Order: sequence, then C-alpha cells, then structure tokens
Amino acid sequence: ETGVTQTPRHLVMGMTNKKSLKCEQHLGHNAMYWYKQSAKKPLELMFVYSLEERVENNSVPSRFSPECPNSSHLFLHLHTLQPEDSALYLCASSPTATPTYGYTFGSGTRLTVV
Amino acid sequence: GEDVEQSLFLSVREGDSSVINCTYTDSSSTYLYWYKQEPGAGLQLLTYIFSNMDMKQDQRLTVLLNKKDKHLSLRIADTQTGDSAIYFCAGSFTGGGNKLTFGTGTQLKVEL
Repeated sequence: ETGVTQTPRHLVMGMTNKKSLKCEQHLGHNAMYWYKQSAKKPLELMFVYSLEERVENNSVPSRFSPECPNSSHLFLHLHTLQPEDSALYLCASSPTATPTYGYTFGSGTRLTVV
Repeated sequence: GEDVEQSLFLSVREGDSSVINCTYTDSSSTYLYWYKQEPGAGLQLLTYIFSNMDMKQDQRLTVLLNKKDKHLSLRIADTQTGDSAIYFCAGSFTGGGNKLTFGTGTQLKVEL
C-alpha cells in the first residue's frame, strides 16, 4: 500500500469514550502532521512531528494526545471530547519538515462526538 | 502572522474556464500551492509555484503569482464536471515557520 492511510474513516464516540486515530505512511517521509478541518474554517494545524519528535503543538487541548512511535506511524489519542471537536481529522506527511514540495494527505477520519 | 484568503464559492459552466483567486498577507512566501479536495477525500496536491516565478502551466492548469499584490490564482481551462471540488490555496511563509498555511477553500461547482 502506498501513500498516507488513515483509519478509521468514520468514528462516532461519546464524550466519555477513549479512542485513537491512526495514520500510516509508506513514502519514506520524515515529517508527519495532524490537521483539523471544520466547515468553512481554514485547516487548523494541530501537531507536527519531525523524525518522531514533536516539534509543534498549536495550543491544542490536552484531550488530544499525539503519539509518533516511528517515522511511518502517527496516532491521535482522544478522550473526554466535546461536541465542537466533531470534524474531519487529516493526517499528512512530507519528506522533511520544510514543505518544499507540499504535503501528502490521507483521506481523513470523520469524527462525530455525541 | 500569515493569513490566506479565498472566496467561498464559484460556479461555472462545463467547457468554460474557471479562475480561483487567493490573497495572502505575509510577503515572505517561499512556495505557494493549490490543493483539490473531492467529497469524502483528503487534499490532493495539484500544483505549486516558487515565489520567484510569475506563472506556471501544467496541462489545463495555469497558476499566476503577483507578488506585489500578494495574489495567487488558479485557472482551469475547459472545466469539466469532474473538476467540481473544493480548492485550497496554501503557502509556505518564513513567518509561519515554513509550515503550510491554508485558506478556507473555494467550492467549485461545474454545471452542464
């Protein structure tokens, strides 16, 4: 499998649940990103990992917890979310943290918090 | 900080040309990009332009960059129904740590 793969595609969770989003890339890239996409708003950068080290955390609430065990995998652990956290969560990767040739995106996980 | 703005909606007839516009505030751009997002999918990189270029053409796509006015446009020639999607302008700016900053996206609707 090539490109950036995200699972699950859809997720419905209650506010007291704990779940995780998974992202996997087979492109040999060293940087990975989590973005949040809400309707009629610009994409919000949440986290940046470069060589498995978190290099940016954009004031994201602690109920979102990223994990990057190796350069091919990125997780977003979710707990006690709020309804306003419902959105499309996109994972992306790039060869390095300097996006000369842009990012490669996955198809996203559509999250609904009930 | 950097800000990237786009109009929200554009409607064109099949076969016509589409022009999607984008403006940005940070003059320290290094690269500028156009992404396409189809329903239920992630963002697909269409094309990019270096900040020292004025124009780039790739088949039906033409990108124009006016650095003085901080204006970027994407022209799609002979627009087809398969071009219906959301188009995002994005930039890599020195002030933004060279990460990508995205606009809100322009919904392109192609009518028969």
